Amino acid sequence: DIQMTQSPSSLSASVGDRVTITCRASQSISSYLNWYQQKPGKAPKLLIYTASSLQSGVPSRFSGSGSGTDFTLTISSLQPEDSATYYCQQSYITPSFGPGTKVDIK
Amino acid sequence: EVQLVESGGGLVQPGESLRLSCAASGFTVSTNYMSWVRQAPGKGLEWVSVIYSGDSTYYADSVKGRFTISRDNSKNTLNLQMNSLRTEDTAVYYCARDRGSAYCSGDRCYGVTNEYWGQGTLVTVSS
Repeated sequence: DIQMTQSPSSLSASVGDRVTITCRASQSISSYLNWYQQKPGKAPKLLIYTASSLQSGVPSRFSGSGSGTDFTLTISSLQPEDSATYYCQQSYITPSFGPGTKVDIK
Repeated sequence: EVQLVESGGGLVQPGESLRLSCAASGFTVSTNYMSWVRQAPGKGLEWVSVIYSGDSTYYADSVKGRFTISRDNSKNTLNLQMNSLRTEDTAVYYCARDRGSAYCSGDRCYGVTNEYWGQGTLVTVSS
């Protein structure tokens, strides 16, 4: 099985800050990597697919990069509505999710 | 507009069974890759199962042999039959539609990307 890790597990940042979340796979997954945002009590929302493609309707301040085993999700200018937990998901062979990164606003 | 509405959750005892349904609108379930994803209380997301071409299916090891995913094309619904439930199956269960990039064959699934999600239904397994 492919194991996914994320760092940090949580962070607190100010509005306008640049935020970067890292996701690492235990083996190469090419670009089979998605990012989701989940707010409390809500279903996850797809943000980024195949590592760097922005899902329709998602603000352009969100971007993704990486390939192989190391990936990043960047929020270029953090907004209050970005307070949420972010999950990476590898979709290479059997899908699996990372443990999540909780983002709070200072 | 794509909509997914889950139902069927509830409280059951260990070893019992439960059947979840997911009513879809705005698209046809039979022509899309459809998944179940679950989330234990206060925990992260866990992918459970996918159904694709025809009635081909694929499961996470944690539910293989106990859960069965299926479709009812006449009702445009996705189902999850859960047998021999365990306390660790307690979770909110979400159904999700793939964005169209997935490809499954044999014992491998590539590119499963859950684009549309339902609101979830809570399953509690407890004595």
